[in-house]
Amino acid sequence: QKEVEQNSGPLSVPEGAIASLNCTYSDRGSQSFFWYRQYSGKSPELIMFIYSNGDKEDGRFTAQLNKASQYVSLLIRDSQPSDSATYLCAVVSSGSARQLTFGSGTQLTVLP
Amino acid sequence: DAGVIQSPRHEVTEMGQEVTLRCKPISGHNSLFWYRQTMMRGLELLIYFNNNVPIDDSGMPEDRFSAKMPNASFSTLKIQPSEPRDSAVYFCASSLTGDRDEKLFFGSGTQLSVL
Repeated sequence: QKEVEQNSGPLSVPEGAIASLNCTYSDRGSQSFFWYRQYSGKSPELIMFIYSNGDKEDGRFTAQLNKASQYVSLLIRDSQPSDSATYLCAVVSSGSARQLTFGSGTQLTVLP
Repeated sequence: DAGVIQSPRHEVTEMGQEVTLRCKPISGHNSLFWYRQTMMRGLELLIYFNNNVPIDDSGMPEDRFSAKMPNASFSTLKIQPSEPRDSAVYFCASSLTGDRDEKLFFGSGTQLSVL
């Protein structure tokens, strides 16, 4: 069973809309959660991290975490065509090795 | 400060040849990771070093793959002999590992094609 699950998409939203990206994870002891953005042909880039239940906002981005449901999401408000990319959810395992496991990513397209 | 530096950016080789990928982590970072990315399998962790010591190499596909980190500023990933199924983008990433921080900074990657 894959440890971090994401809908692969593609997800298309019109410019100015809210894009909602979702992620579930299997390790109930995980404490650290990250969202990376990867443009086509480029390397992943960290855009958000969250450790506590609830919401964390940074500009147009909001990360939401619900540990009881083992669910983390990323909201992008006022979506722009430049937000078109693949978004990778990543979770740090609770074991001693503390591995960062990535989901397969959700491809987002923002239509002008 | 320079980011994670990988070389080469592109590598085309023939099956059976030895391939060596290189990585210079961000200065001061104490963890280094090698990932492989393909369309089919996504981003897979191959090996993870902390303070130059390999911590987990369970992701290394087989004995053909080996990785070293002789000092804090340099790591190599070697494939010998290479096979067409090794074709992928190989990323190196580094971080400053703290209590729960695993904020990885990725290099630009090496696009490997094995013919």
